[in-house]
Amino acid sequence: KAGVTQTPRYLIKTRGQQVTLSCSPISGHRSVSWYQQTPGQGLQFLFEYFSETQRNKGNFPGRFSGRQFSNSRSEMNVSTLELGDSALYLCASSLDVGGAGYGYTFGSGTRLTVV
Amino acid sequence: AQKVTQAQTEISVVEKEDVTLDCVYETRDTTYYLFWYKQPPSGELVFLIRRNSFDEQNEISGRYSWNFQKSTSSFNFTITASQVVDSAVYFCALSEAAGANSKLTFGKGITLSVRP
Repeated sequence: KAGVTQTPRYLIKTRGQQVTLSCSPISGHRSVSWYQQTPGQGLQFLFEYFSETQRNKGNFPGRFSGRQFSNSRSEMNVSTLELGDSALYLCASSLDVGGAGYGYTFGSGTRLTVV
Repeated sequence: AQKVTQAQTEISVVEKEDVTLDCVYETRDTTYYLFWYKQPPSGELVFLIRRNSFDEQNEISGRYSWNFQKSTSSFNFTITASQVVDSAVYFCALSEAAGANSKLTFGKGITLSVRP
């Protein structure tokens, strides 16, 4: 079966712009989580969506937001981009909310560069 | 709060050597899950193993084995007879609960280089 699909793979944006990243989970998986990976901070949890509702949120400013559609696909948006937002953004798909009991499958990520 | 420490940052070995990657965790919960992921240069996190806190059995999968010890809060990963294809960054992660508040807390990762 198809894995977790993230688009685009690479993105270059200018400071102050906004960006939208997309994640399609494994078919049948209803939970989508987002993580940011930077060399300095490592992998950090952004948020989790299940049934089109945000269920859990990490410690990130309000410029980071997301949503989930009825087909479980999710998007995350970053507004007013800053240089520090340059990172690899990874999406994780899980069967149900709170995926630890079911396991998480990650996509290949979107590498965002802010210039 | 939950925390994962991977004290080793970089390890370099010659092919066919055995190598152990250390992971120490902190949590106040009695129910939690531990994970190991591999991240090759392509960026994707590849799932290796999930273990819940009630299952202290060690596990072996081919050349990979895991040693879970609650007494020392450690979940170490050993690669036997390493191969060049094992070169990657390895992450240990902890999730305190299954449910609406569960999330993965990752260690900083260990970069493993296996030389021919």
